[in-house]
Amino acid sequence: QSALTQPASVSGSPGQSITISCTGSDLDDVNYNYVSWYQQHPGRAPKLMIYDVTYRPSGVSNRFSGSKSANTASLTISDLQADDEADYYCSSHTFSNLYVFGSGTKVIVL
Amino acid sequence: EVQLVESGGGLVKPGGSLRLSCAVSGFTLDSFTMSWVRQAPGKGLEWVSSISGRSAYIFYADSMKGRFTVSRDNAKNSLYLEVDSLRAEDTAVYYCAREVPTASWYFDSWGQGTLVTVSS
Repeated sequence: QSALTQPASVSGSPGQSITISCTGSDLDDVNYNYVSWYQQHPGRAPKLMIYDVTYRPSGVSNRFSGSKSANTASLTISDLQADDEADYYCSSHTFSNLYVFGSGTKVIVL
Repeated sequence: EVQLVESGGGLVKPGGSLRLSCAVSGFTLDSFTMSWVRQAPGKGLEWVSSISGRSAYIFYADSMKGRFTVSRDNAKNSLYLEVDSLRAEDTAVYYCAREVPTASWYFDSWGQGTLVTVSS
C-alpha cells in the first residue's frame, strides 16, 4: 500500500493560514471518507487533530480544519502560531482493512 | 485517564528477534481494536498491524507479513508485537495506538513509543 503524498514542508508567518494537502492515487483503495490528521512535535507521540475528514476531537483548537475533494484531503491551520510548528501526517483506512499514512509535512512558522 | 506504555525495545543484532509490549490502563482493552505503528529515525509514520478486541481479526501491512506477529492478552491489559529476523531497516520507534470503537477508522490515543535499534 503506497503512502499518501504530502508536501515535504509548508511555511507561514504567525497569524497567517496554511493548507497541507494529502493526495492518493486514482487506483488505490483508500477510503477518503475516513481521513484523519496527526500532529507530531519532535520526540513526541502523534496527536489526533482531525478525524473523518472534518471533525475535531475535544480539546483541539478550532484553528484546525479539514476538508476533501475526490482523492485529495486538506488540513488548514488558521491564525498560525509558534506552537503549530511540527510534523503533520494524514492517514486513512483502506477497503482492504489496512491503514495508510501520508509522507508527512513539516510546518515551519517563520 | 487513558494510558498506553510500550516497552521491550533496545539494541538487537541483525537476524535476532524481539517482543514488544504495550500495557494499557484507563479503559477496557477488549472493547478496542489496537494497532502498532512505527517510525524510522527521521522518517514518517508507517502502520504495521492491527488486532481486534477478541483477536478475531488481524491485519498486517503488506511489507510486514511474515516476520511480524501481533497478539494481545486482555486479561493482562497488554498488546504485543513479535518481530523475527530483524533487519537494519526495522530500526524505528514502535508505537501502540488505540482505534476508536465506532464506525470510523482513526487512532485516538498513542503510547510514547519504544525504540528498536537493529545493529551489529
